[in-house]
Amino acid sequence: GQSLEQPSEVTAVEGAIVQINCTYQTSGFYGLSWYQQHDGGAPTFLSYNGLDGLEETGRFSSFLSRSKGYSYLLLKELQMKDSASYFCAVRGPSNTGKLIFGQGTTLQVKP
Amino acid sequence: GAVVSQHPSWVICKSGTSVKIECRSLDFQATTMFWYRQFPKQSLMLMATSNEGSKATYEQGVEKDKFLINHASLTLSTLTVTSAHPEDSSFYICSARDPRSGTTTDTQYFGPGTRLTVL
Repeated sequence: GQSLEQPSEVTAVEGAIVQINCTYQTSGFYGLSWYQQHDGGAPTFLSYNGLDGLEETGRFSSFLSRSKGYSYLLLKELQMKDSASYFCAVRGPSNTGKLIFGQGTTLQVKP
Repeated sequence: GAVVSQHPSWVICKSGTSVKIECRSLDFQATTMFWYRQFPKQSLMLMATSNEGSKATYEQGVEKDKFLINHASLTLSTLTVTSAHPEDSSFYICSARDPRSGTTTDTQYFGPGTRLTVL
């Protein structure tokens, strides 16, 4: 099966950099994605890592190490609007395309 | 980017009634859609994979006779919560993968969700 672990909460200051970690165990690996979800809203796609290394998209970066079963999401130049829940998700077995989500990390950005 | 819509955005119903939720991909064809349920302050839990033209695949522990899924066309999947009870109150979200995304990314687009409250 699949299991993912994330810290439940992270707090940071506006303008700072914050890292949200995700460790996972899967039977077969088909990629790991990060999603952002504001209260009451739908998850929105942030980034995807299929291979080891760093992917950068604007203020967001995501890193993957398949050998360690580890990923992190890095948010730079934090803004108040970045306060949200962040989920890592792995694609399910047999490359079906379905996503298995971690429990999510609530990021609170303070002024 | 690709857009997925859901209808209704919220619904309140009496216990014992059935509720149908629609999920549409607006600018792409989705042979596969996914249905998730999310309770307050919790993660998204995959309920089932909706396959166009065939039966849905349900995750372990999800009652297929209670949560009926129909994927009648390449742009529409429906989830019907039958004989709803208060414990079924939740946020139901669908998603679909844009087949145009290619292999270097894995973008799934989520609908805005449907908040179901069963009295």
